[in-house]
Amino acid sequence: AQSVAQPEDQVNVAEGNPLTVKCTYSVSGNPYLFWYVQYPNRGLQFLLKYITGDNLVKGSYGFEAEFNKSQTSFHLKKPSALVSDSALYFCAVTPTGGGYNKLIFGAGTRLAVHP
Amino acid sequence: DSGVTQTPKHLITATGQRVTLRCSPRSGDLSVYWYQQSLDQGLQFLIQYYNGEERAKGNILERFSAQQFPDLHSELNLSSLELGDSALYFCASSGDNEQFFGPGTRLTVL
Repeated sequence: AQSVAQPEDQVNVAEGNPLTVKCTYSVSGNPYLFWYVQYPNRGLQFLLKYITGDNLVKGSYGFEAEFNKSQTSFHLKKPSALVSDSALYFCAVTPTGGGYNKLIFGAGTRLAVHP
Repeated sequence: DSGVTQTPKHLITATGQRVTLRCSPRSGDLSVYWYQQSLDQGLQFLIQYYNGEERAKGNILERFSAQQFPDLHSELNLSSLELGDSALYFCASSGDNEQFFGPGTRLTVL
């Protein structure tokens, strides 16, 4: 079965420190990979995507993610966390053929950045 | 602002009732997706329409139905509502690759 795992329910980090939010996936073929962020009482905002090419992709608000095919991972990273980054982060994947397919989401990871 | 609009923002109704959620996709997007976000199930894909035709179905109950109209807006109809249907319902539309989400409709069934 196709699935996305976000092993941490919550990640705590001090402001100014680097952050990593983990994601692994189990999808056949060459999936498209995404990160979305959800602020309280808001919809999901697109952060970044991996389709093909360079394994390190850069997105909005200084976030980046590293695609690792051998480990089937797509971890979200940021060199220096801000308190305003505190939110719920979702990793998502579409199976091969991406663009017009449904998204399969992970359970979400709550990021808490402390001053 | 994603360009995807959803109405209403909030909906409070009673068990057994029927409601309609509305979504307008981004200008030019032909695909519309519906997702349900609940505490116990997380974010689940319900159904997809492409240019008026149903394209894919996910974990959508038989009490739920959707359609996409010629102007590309979509409606999700939920009937015989149960307490467990209380959730946030998102609509998304897609460009080339990524999906853009509306602000959601929060449904509360009492």
